[in-house]
Amino acid sequence: GQNIDQPTEMTATEGAIVQINCTYQTSGFNGLFWYQQHAGEAPTFLSYNVLDGLEEKGRFSSFLSRSKGYSYLLLKELQMKDSASYLCAVRPIDDYKLSFGAGTTVTVRA
Amino acid sequence: EADIYQTPRYLVIGTGKKITLECSQTMGHDKMYWYQQDPGMELHLIHYSYGVNSTEKGDLSSESTVSRIRTEHFPLTLESARPSHTSQYLCASSETGSEKLFFGSGTQLSVL
Repeated sequence: GQNIDQPTEMTATEGAIVQINCTYQTSGFNGLFWYQQHAGEAPTFLSYNVLDGLEEKGRFSSFLSRSKGYSYLLLKELQMKDSASYLCAVRPIDDYKLSFGAGTTVTVRA
Repeated sequence: EADIYQTPRYLVIGTGKKITLECSQTMGHDKMYWYQQDPGMELHLIHYSYGVNSTEKGDLSSESTVSRIRTEHFPLTLESARPSHTSQYLCASSETGSEKLFFGSGTQLSVL
């Protein structure tokens, strides 16, 4: 199985930058996902990293280091609507089933 | 973007009742999944299907059952609901060759 660890909560100010870290231990690795989940709603896809490096998509960027079992999601120019839970998920080799972390609740304050 | 639907959105029932949570997708995806999520906890996979007439149990043991008679439909059934079944149930789908999951809005189940 996969052990996926991410912080429980983070708080930041509107307009600031927040970095959400995710570490994982897996017997085989074939990609890492980030999902956003607003309270009471379904998770929505943010990013997918399969190779090392930084993937930038507007205000959101995701980084992966496979050798370190580490990823982060970077949220820039924070807006109030970014207040949500951010879920890290790992896809093992030869399997389509994702394993999810418990999520990081980000609260954006004015 | 996502065309995956779950009903009901909220359900409050008494112990011992039989319930079916509905999930349908109009994207023609082969793979469908049921996740269970408690507040502040990770999503746990309880069932998945890679195609019609194919169903498997997930990583978290569940007393529920599923069926996949049609590509678009993946209902979950609890024969006799108990308070321990109180949770949010999320249905998801993905297409062959893609890693991206599309989630439904979820069913919040409360068993009294």
